[in-house]
Amino acid sequence: NAGVTQTPKFQVLKTGQSMTLQCAQDMNHEYMSWYRQDPGMGLRLIHYSVGAGITDQGEVPNGYNVSRSTTEDFPLRLLSAAPSQTSVYFCASSSQETGGDADTQYFGPGTRLTVL
Amino acid sequence: GEDVEQSLFLSVREGDSSVINCTYTDSSSTYLYWYKQEPGAGLQLLTYIFSNMDMKQDQRLTVLLNKKDKHLSLRIADTQTGDSAIYFCAESDSGSARQLTFGSGTQLTVLP
Repeated sequence: NAGVTQTPKFQVLKTGQSMTLQCAQDMNHEYMSWYRQDPGMGLRLIHYSVGAGITDQGEVPNGYNVSRSTTEDFPLRLLSAAPSQTSVYFCASSSQETGGDADTQYFGPGTRLTVL
Repeated sequence: GEDVEQSLFLSVREGDSSVINCTYTDSSSTYLYWYKQEPGAGLQLLTYIFSNMDMKQDQRLTVLLNKKDKHLSLRIADTQTGDSAIYFCAESDSGSARQLTFGSGTQLTVLP
């Protein structure tokens, strides 16, 4: 049981380039989400999904696209990278059940992205 | 919108107790969480508390919730060097239990 995995661990892009950050989970969780972490600002929700085929915007969705074709995978796409998107990106998943431990979000190790 | 605030830094001596504080503004918060982030790693859930509880203890960790003042604290007893990390407070409301609002994190440094 690998939990939540993210690739790549590190990435450097030039302004205007596109790329996809991969996220996968093997816990059969229906809920998945993407956060970005910036110094002194905690984590902010970018997009989330409550199940395959369903996605919605979080607090800071601009410049990012997501899709959820399977329960396991939730890729995050940067269509035209900007220096403001330099950040650490975390993917998380949790079950749809409610109450106590069932609400626990499991986080991946993160992708450190630098946009020059 | 919701806001969660924490102080940025805390230093303690090994063996002492650490107290990390957090305030939040959303009165409909249902769950309040403490996450730990070690250098270069993702976030690890330490503990959580329901909004109808005042206190929760889990081994060296004690969470206190003052709902009236919207104040949450995490006490770590007998702090060890391995406890050095960033600690995030987070809250969610009943309407979106998995949409967390995070504080900025408190960097805990444990001095030998």
